Amino acid sequence: EAGVAQSPRYKIIEKRQSVAFWCNPISGHATLYWYQQILGQGPKLLIQFQNNGVVDDSQLPKDRFSAERLKGVDSTLKIQPAKLEDSAVYLCASSYGPDRGTDTQYFGPGTRLTVL
Amino acid sequence: AQRVTQPEKLLSVFKGAPVELKCNYSYSGSPELFWYVQYSRQRLQLLLRHISRESIKGFTADLNKGETSFHLKKPFAQEEDSAMYYCALSRSNYQLIWGAGTKLIIKP
Repeated sequence: EAGVAQSPRYKIIEKRQSVAFWCNPISGHATLYWYQQILGQGPKLLIQFQNNGVVDDSQLPKDRFSAERLKGVDSTLKIQPAKLEDSAVYLCASSYGPDRGTDTQYFGPGTRLTVL
Repeated sequence: AQRVTQPEKLLSVFKGAPVELKCNYSYSGSPELFWYVQYSRQRLQLLLRHISRESIKGFTADLNKGETSFHLKKPFAQEEDSAMYYCALSRSNYQLIWGAGTKLIIKP
């Protein structure tokens, strides 16, 4: 099966600019996750979708971050405006979800964001 | 508090030597634990999960509820084992709590 796709792979922006990331999960995967991974740390969950509904966005800085998953497939994550501390790798992952009784997450290659 | 701790940021061993990557957790319920691995220039992927009780690429991990540990072990390290290893704990809503990771370097 095709893996999780993400784009772009790299992005360099200046602070206060906007940026958007795109994720296409594995076909049939109901659950989609966005993570932020700062250098030297493990992934931190930003938002979890089940189909096109939000399960948990408690760690999403909603004053600047937004995410959507229209039609329950692709998802976009936006940062507006970006801050220096947003420099990180943004990972998208998907899984079949609880309906299939499995929670193995499959990851995309990530987007490396540098905010100058 | 729910937490996963990997005390070693870096572990360096010689090829053929035994490897043990440590993972400790704090969780009030019945934990489900995983090891994920990221090889150089590859994406993060599942290595093994405790519920499967299987050996993958020679690695095993046993859940020790008394010591709240889930250490990853391999009796004889190979150069291709060099990678970042992350321990993760699954909450009831299938969310993962991650450790900070251990970089394993296998010296020839």
